[in-house]
Amino acid sequence: AQTVTQSQPEMSVQEAETVTLSCTYDTSESDYYLFWYKQPPSRQMILVIRQEAYKQQNATENRFSVNFQKAAKSFSLKISDSQLGDAAMYFCAYDGGATNKLIFGTGTLLAVQP
Amino acid sequence: DSGVTQTPKHLITATGQRVTLRCSPRSGDLSVYWYQQSLDQGLQFLIQYYNGEERAKGNILERFSAQQFPDLHSELNLSSLELGDSALYFCASSASGKNEAFFGQGTRLTVV
Repeated sequence: AQTVTQSQPEMSVQEAETVTLSCTYDTSESDYYLFWYKQPPSRQMILVIRQEAYKQQNATENRFSVNFQKAAKSFSLKISDSQLGDAAMYFCAYDGGATNKLIFGTGTLLAVQP
Repeated sequence: DSGVTQTPKHLITATGQRVTLRCSPRSGDLSVYWYQQSLDQGLQFLIQYYNGEERAKGNILERFSAQQFPDLHSELNLSSLELGDSALYFCASSASGKNEAFFGQGTRLTVV
């Protein structure tokens, strides 16, 4: 069975600095998708970034980028120029593709210090 | 705004009762997913519907059931409620062929 592990329960970053959130996963599939979702205090789940496993190029969305290492089964999220609005719980998620159901990690709570 | 609408936003009910959570997917999305978020279990996939048909089942209790109607809205029915069913229930939708799920704001269920 596929699993997703986020080993950092909490992280803190200074405003305008860069922070990296870690995620590892386990799967025997070769084709899949990986996601980072943000959950602010409003509890809304917001899609931050998406990576297809067959693409070698790391995905980027404005200040958010990923470091996807397929062989190591690692999928970290880098947030550059951190802003107060980035404070939230961040979830890493895996989608095997066949049914599109998401398997989530336990989340990393990110605090942004002014 | 994700375009996915869930009602109600909050629900408080007693043990043993039955409730229905409603979800309207984004316009044109055929797939609807239900997830449960609780403190002890984290975010868990419950069930998926695609164009009215059940597509996948996760850790959904037998006391829970769901359906997707011809207009593509979906309902999650929770019966014989227990204290442990208190959680945030999310609905998400995705377009056909797209591996990108967009979530509603969730229904906060409190069982007392």
